[in-house]
Formats: sequence, C-alpha cells, structure tokens
Amino acid sequence: DAMVIQNPRYQVTQFGKPVTLSCSQTLNHNVMYWYQQKSSQAPKLLFHYYDKDFNNEADTPDNFQSRRPNTSFCFLDIRSPGLGDAAMYLCATSASGQSYNEQFFGPGTRLTVL
Amino acid sequence: AQSVTQLDSQVPVFEEAPVELRCNYSSSVSVYLFWYVQYPNQGLQLLLKYLSGSTLVKGINGFEAEFNKSQTSFHLRKPSVHISDTAEYFCAVSDTGRRALTFGSGTRLQVQP
Repeated sequence: DAMVIQNPRYQVTQFGKPVTLSCSQTLNHNVMYWYQQKSSQAPKLLFHYYDKDFNNEADTPDNFQSRRPNTSFCFLDIRSPGLGDAAMYLCATSASGQSYNEQFFGPGTRLTVL
Repeated sequence: AQSVTQLDSQVPVFEEAPVELRCNYSSSVSVYLFWYVQYPNQGLQLLLKYLSGSTLVKGINGFEAEFNKSQTSFHLRKPSVHISDTAEYFCAVSDTGRRALTFGSGTRLQVQP
C-alpha cells in the first residue's frame, strides 16, 4: 500500500544534542510537509517542500531545518533541541496536480528532550 | 487569512448515541474543508472532505458532514458512535491558493460504555 513512513516512531534526545527525524513516502507526491504538534494542540506547519523548493513558515525557529534529497525522502533537523521542542512531529504529503490540498499523514515521531 | 474554530474541546457521549462535532470557519475566498481523525500516538487520517457539489458529504467509519455556506460551518455527525470512535477530531480548511491547511484546535470525542 502507498503510504507515508516516519522513523523512528519515538526519539529521545538530550538538551542541545542535534537530532534528525526522517520521512519517506511511496505516493510519489511532489509536496512534503513537516508539522509540529504539542500535547492537546492542533498541528502547526513548520515548512514544506514543493518539489525542491523550500517554503519556511514565518514563525518557524531557525533551530529547525529540513532537507529533501529526492522525491521520496524528507528530513527534519533540530540543531539544538530545547525542552520546548518536545512534541509529536508529523510528516505529510500532497499532490500538486490537484486543485485541492488533500494531505496524507505519516504516523508521527514523538520527540522527548531530556 | 483563514481561521477555523472548533468550539467544543471535549465531547463525552455514550456508546450508540448520536454525536455532532462543530466546526466554523472564516475565509474571504472559496475553501475546501476537511475532517481528520487522530487516534492516540498516531498521525492524522482523513475522514471526509468537501470540495464542491452536494453539501452533505459522507466519509469513512459512518461519519458525515454538512457544508453550510451561509453559516460558514462544516459540522461532523455520526448517528451511532462506538467505543472505537474515541479519538481527537480536527477540522481543517484550505483555499485554492496557499498550499497549507489551517487546522482547528481539535475536539476530543470520548465514547463511554
């Protein structure tokens, strides 16, 4: 089945230690998104790639970076995680050929910062 | 700018009872509307979407929603809930221009035996 895969599902890191979360997709969608979701809150868009074009949300901290080496993979890098960065990180994809923006989500990676 | 309001943060309901989760939106342009469900420690799964046409939209797991343009609402309904429907439900809106989804704050549906 076509899907969005996120690894790992649970990640523990130490305060200030860089961490990378990964997302892959078999849907062949050209748009990929990263969301941050804190407990009992709505997902918050951090940035998205339209093909190779990177689009950062205005309020996304510089501490968050992303890479998309090819269509299938996208990475979220947190350069110096703080306690406030503990959250669920969701990856999503969509196909730009549609007039509407239906997004397909992965299962998420829950990040704990010690 | 768009916004989505889910007035109820939590909705407790007994099993086999009907339920309605409310969603109101504001936008200056035409929008597409979505309902997503999130089970504990999982990603978001699309329940249904309104793109155009019939205002009553049927989705998975017996859910349906009605688009009301004059009231700018897109309420989610199910005539008889099950324990397995216990989850967080998010209403979301997008317009034809910006690629992002704007989410509401979510409604936690708690189905009790």
